[in-house]
Amino acid sequence: DIQMTQSPASLSASLGETVTIECRASEDIYNGLAWYQQKPGKSPQLLIYNANSLHTGVPSRFSGSGSGTQYSLKINSLQSEDVASYFCQQYYDYPFTFGSGTKLEIK
Amino acid sequence: QVQLKESGPGLVQPSQTLSLTCTVSGFSLMDYSVHWVRQPPGKGLEWMGRMKYDGDTYYNSALKSRLSISRDTSKSQVFLKMNSLQTEDTAIYYCTRGGQLPFAYWGQGTLVTVSS
Repeated sequence: DIQMTQSPASLSASLGETVTIECRASEDIYNGLAWYQQKPGKSPQLLIYNANSLHTGVPSRFSGSGSGTQYSLKINSLQSEDVASYFCQQYYDYPFTFGSGTKLEIK
Repeated sequence: QVQLKESGPGLVQPSQTLSLTCTVSGFSLMDYSVHWVRQPPGKGLEWMGRMKYDGDTYYNSALKSRLSISRDTSKSQVFLKMNSLQTEDTAIYYCTRGGQLPFAYWGQGTLVTVSS
């Protein structure tokens, strides 16, 4: 199985700041990577797919990058509504696997 | 409009079998795959398995011996059955649609508690 190592586990930042969350795959996943946002009590919501494609309706302050085994999610100009947990997921190979998540809070 | 909705018992006794239903609308099960994902309270996400649009199934090897996914296309329903439940199977169970956009649509989730 492909292991996804996500960091940091938690993050505290100020409004307007830029934050970056990283995911490392145990092998090349050829950009088969998605990022999800999950707010408390809600289902995960797709933000980014194919490593760097923004899902419809997602604000442009979210962006994804990376290749091979290293991927990152960047949030520019942090807003209060961005408080949530974020998960990466590889869908290059079965079983699909998720990172352990990053909890983002406002400082 | 694409929708998925999970249903099933909220409480299951240890060693018993869990049966969940995912009822979909806005798309055909013969055009898209449906996946099951679970999340223990306060923890991360675990992919469990999928029903492909052609009826093929694939399971997480960690659960394969206990898990079965089936469907009724006429009712737009996908079923999950998992036996020998233990307390560590307590989780929110989600169904989600696959396709070119990975997991763009999710159900609301259903909490299953394993307890006597």
